[in-house]
Amino acid sequence: GAVVSQHPSRVICKSGTSVKIECRSLDFQATTMFWYRQFPKQSLMLMATSNEGSKATYEQGVEKDKFLINHASLTLSTLTVTSAHPEDSSFYICSARPAGRVSEKLFFGSGTQLSVL
Amino acid sequence: GESVGLHLPTLSVQEGDNSIINCAYSNSASDYFIWYKQESGKGPQFIIDIRSNMDKRQGQRVTVLLNKTVKHLSLQIAATQPGDSAVYFCAENNAGGTSYGKLTFGQGTILTVHP
Repeated sequence: GAVVSQHPSRVICKSGTSVKIECRSLDFQATTMFWYRQFPKQSLMLMATSNEGSKATYEQGVEKDKFLINHASLTLSTLTVTSAHPEDSSFYICSARPAGRVSEKLFFGSGTQLSVL
Repeated sequence: GESVGLHLPTLSVQEGDNSIINCAYSNSASDYFIWYKQESGKGPQFIIDIRSNMDKRQGQRVTVLLNKTVKHLSLQIAATQPGDSAVYFCAENNAGGTSYGKLTFGQGTILTVHP
């Protein structure tokens, strides 16, 4: 089946630094990827939709200048948490939608646990 | 706004029993529903999906039921095993629109299976 790889799986950083998270579709092309955030014991909340070759679409309440998304190729989207603060500590998860196949099920990455000290 | 919610936040069962996890949704435009299993520290794992033109779909040891009249979704797990212990989420999407893949998740149910 389709595989979505997410890296790193865990990152610890100091407050004020920036962290980049990668999401790759390994055996399919994805024109659209989605970024979710999950706080402990809570559900996944959609942050933004990443579109290959164009600007990302952010959900209400998500700061686009803080969570920079780049989708430069059909297999890679990156999420950069800029000037991270402790309240940004969370589990970040991406999913990928196979290009041209709207009936396919969606696949998720394994997630990135971000801890900001 | 529209949301998907769950009736039961936790469910404990004995190994071998059948489990039923419920979910209510409110977006009448949703036409695609998915159940995911999430283990601690991992991303959601696809279990089974169902489209709105169906009311039942079966997989291996799992069955999803959809009742569009009352906007209710359920996941039935037969002969539950300790390895089934995880958090289960329902998710909904308007698959017919350009928002395909943009999922709204329910709150999740913690399933604990006792040996």
